[in-house]
Amino acid sequence: EAQVTQNPRYLITVTGKKLTVTCSQNMNHEYMSWYRQDPGLGLRQIYYSMNVEVTDKGDVPEGYKVSRKEKRNFPLILESPSPNQTSLYFCASSWGRGTGELFFGEGSRLTVL
Amino acid sequence: DAKTTQPNSMESNEEEPVHLPCNHSTISGTDYIHWYRQLPSQGPEYVIHGLTSNVNNRMASLAIAEDRKSSTLILHRATLRDAAVYYCILSSGYGNKLVFGAGTILRVKS
Repeated sequence: EAQVTQNPRYLITVTGKKLTVTCSQNMNHEYMSWYRQDPGLGLRQIYYSMNVEVTDKGDVPEGYKVSRKEKRNFPLILESPSPNQTSLYFCASSWGRGTGELFFGEGSRLTVL
Repeated sequence: DAKTTQPNSMESNEEEPVHLPCNHSTISGTDYIHWYRQLPSQGPEYVIHGLTSNVNNRMASLAIAEDRKSSTLILHRATLRDAAVYYCILSSGYGNKLVFGAGTILRVKS
């Protein structure tokens, strides 16, 4: 089954404790991206990747890092989480340059205390 | 970056057509217009996308204005399962910076 898998789905952590949210897709997609969703703000793009070793900033990249060492994986790294990073995070992937259908994961709800 | 503007909410009766508008007056020539929807507690789901011509698929139709400054998502017969937040999104042909609108909450009445 074609899918985008995120882990963990739920996480409560404390300020400053590094964490990684993993994202994996099994569709051999070149394009992957991370979004955060906050009440009243819709979805905002954090980072995206056009292919292995190619990443770029979205609209809200501050406080986040990403890497794309393999085509299937695109982890989101919070080096020193802060409470304003409490949010619902979505990973997505698509063929080509992101102009086609985006497949979204089920989301990871992160709470930073 | 090009932005989109959508109504905050709309309401429809079950089994009637729904027209969801989106304005994107600063769209560039390489921007694709995408529509996604998000049901409660789920990730966004692709609905349809297009560049210049109107598009149809099994879920919906997309009508794009001739000047491309606006578009309309058409659900031909709304069902209760279509109640969701609908997002109109522009994606540039270069760089893939996706710009989400605030979304339209669609309520479907039985």
